[in-house]
Amino acid sequence: AQTVTQSQPEMSVQEAETVTLSCTYDTSESDYYLFWYKQPPSRQMILVIRQEAYKQQNATENRFSVNFQKAAKSFSLKISDSQLGDAAMYFCAYSPDSWGKLQFGAGTQVVVTP
Amino acid sequence: GAVVSQHPSWVICKSGTSVKIECRSLDFQATTMFWYRQFPKQSLMLMATSNEGSKATYEQGVEKDKFLINHASLTLSTLTVTSAHPEDSSFYICSTGKETQYFGPGTRLLVL
Repeated sequence: AQTVTQSQPEMSVQEAETVTLSCTYDTSESDYYLFWYKQPPSRQMILVIRQEAYKQQNATENRFSVNFQKAAKSFSLKISDSQLGDAAMYFCAYSPDSWGKLQFGAGTQVVVTP
Repeated sequence: GAVVSQHPSWVICKSGTSVKIECRSLDFQATTMFWYRQFPKQSLMLMATSNEGSKATYEQGVEKDKFLINHASLTLSTLTVTSAHPEDSSFYICSTGKETQYFGPGTRLLVL
């Protein structure tokens, strides 16, 4: 069975600074998909970034980028130039298919201080 | 990406009653939808996979007779919590999508 581990319950960052959230996963598959979702206080799940395992290039979306290390089964998220609106719970998720069910990590609460 | 709505957003019911939650895909023909449950301060846990025109697939430990899922069209899946009890109080979220899963805004259920 696949597992997703987020070892940081909470991370604090100052505005305009950079924070990195860690995620590791376990799978025996060679092709799969990894995601970071953001859940603000409204509890609406919002896609932050998506990575296909067969792609070696790390995905980026504006201020968000990932460091995907397939051999190490690591998928960290870097938030650059942090903004107050980035404050939320961030979940790392794994899926064997692009369309399929997601397995989530426990989440990391990001606190942004002025 | 897919736009997903849920109704109701909030529901309070008495113990022993049944509650129906709707999940609609507004711009995407959803042959498959997923239902998750999230308890406070916890992660999302997959409950079941809803398949259009066929039976749902439930995750281990989820009572299929208690959480009835119907997916009669490509735009609508419903989750009915039957004979709800206080321990069923939770946040229920659905998702669908092709390349990526997009989530509904969720339904907060409080059983008194």
